[in-house]
Amino acid sequence: GENVEQHPSTLSVQEGDSAVIKCTYSDSASNYFPWYKQELGKRPQLIIDIRSNVGEKKDQRIAVTLNKTAKHFSLHITETQPEDSAVYFCAASITGNQFYFGTGTSLTVIP
Amino acid sequence: DGGITQSPKYLFRKEGQNVTLSCEQNLNHDAMYWYRQDPGQGLRLIYYSQIVNDFQKGDIAEGYSVSREKKESFPLTVTSAQKNPTAFYLCASRELAGGAREQFFGPGTRLTVL
Repeated sequence: GENVEQHPSTLSVQEGDSAVIKCTYSDSASNYFPWYKQELGKRPQLIIDIRSNVGEKKDQRIAVTLNKTAKHFSLHITETQPEDSAVYFCAASITGNQFYFGTGTSLTVIP
Repeated sequence: DGGITQSPKYLFRKEGQNVTLSCEQNLNHDAMYWYRQDPGQGLRLIYYSQIVNDFQKGDIAEGYSVSREKKESFPLTVTSAQKNPTAFYLCASRELAGGAREQFFGPGTRLTVL
């Protein structure tokens, strides 16, 4: 099956700086890549996603890039704020039926 | 945060006992999923179902069982055969029509085996 690796496992940035989280996947047939944010004690929530026919997608301070050749995708958060502190998960899906998640990145934004 | 609910929020079980976790959704979603979340391991798929009375095993189905008798309900039973059941369990649902891909998660159930 698909294998998704996520780095780094922890990330600390100063407020206002940018944060980048990277994921790689193994199956070139994967065609949907969502990113979820999970605040402490809460459920994961989708923050952005990208499909394999698109190289980049942006939503305000959040952007995702996809490199199908290298089989990796990245989450970029600009102008970070304390409320961005959470655990972020990447995932990959081939058919949309099964989702394979990365191990998560704990992001801390230092005021 | 409505739409998909899980109960109970916390559950304690003695070794050797079966326990059932509830998951209900009123989003009219076709597909439902159960994940297990352990520290440092992300979310791992236990079972999923795309239609009533049908379900598929995920990567870690051993020691678990599910049923899908109604579209809105997808209960998970953690059996005594599951060797390390203490974890946070998340249920999710997804619409299949129109190419929709987003999964909506419930608030989770934290199971502790005493």
